[in-house]
Amino acid sequence: TQLLEQSPQFLSIQEGENLTVYCNSSSVFSSLQWYRQEPGEGPVLLVTVVTGGEVKKLKRLTFQFGDARKDSSLHITAAQPGDTGLYLCAGANTNAGKSTFGDGTTLTVKP
Amino acid sequence: KAGVTQTPRYLIKTRGQQVTLSCSPISGHRSVSWYQQTPGQGLQFLFEYFSETQRNKGNFPGRFSGRQFSNSRSEMNVSTLELGDSALYLCASSLDSGTRVNEQFFGPGTRLTVL
Repeated sequence: TQLLEQSPQFLSIQEGENLTVYCNSSSVFSSLQWYRQEPGEGPVLLVTVVTGGEVKKLKRLTFQFGDARKDSSLHITAAQPGDTGLYLCAGANTNAGKSTFGDGTTLTVKP
Repeated sequence: KAGVTQTPRYLIKTRGQQVTLSCSPISGHRSVSWYQQTPGQGLQFLFEYFSETQRNKGNFPGRFSGRQFSNSRSEMNVSTLELGDSALYLCASSLDSGTRVNEQFFGPGTRLTVL
């Protein structure tokens, strides 16, 4: 069974601070997705990383895929209240034919 | 393109009843996956359908079942509801979950409350 561990589980910061969320596994994934979910809604896809060592930027968000494709990180610069939500990582495995989700990081950004 | 739609958005049932939830994927997507989300358990994979065939199944009892129609629309059914079935049920569509890049697009979910 493939597992994805996310840390921290909860994060509460002030507006303007930087933060990093981690997604770790002992398994290799063919790709990894990051999602953000707001209460009562479905997760929204933010980014997909495919190549080991890949870095993608989405405005103030920077995503990195580990060289061995077992881990990933999400860094947010100058967080804003609108960044508040549940951040989920999901590892895709071609052989399994499905994705494995981490338990998520709940981020609260206070004005 | 229209997104993934799920109906109904909210549902209240009593123990012992059964329920059917519906999901319409993004046009052109052939894979539909279902997840159960609860505060303590995160996103739990129920099953995945591709071209009307169940390809993958999670660790849920047989009370949970699903199907997919020729137009890729999918339904899931839960029979003999239990209190613990209260959750947000999410449907996600993708081009093909068996590919290297399994980008899933989620619907808004159905909030099921079992009393």
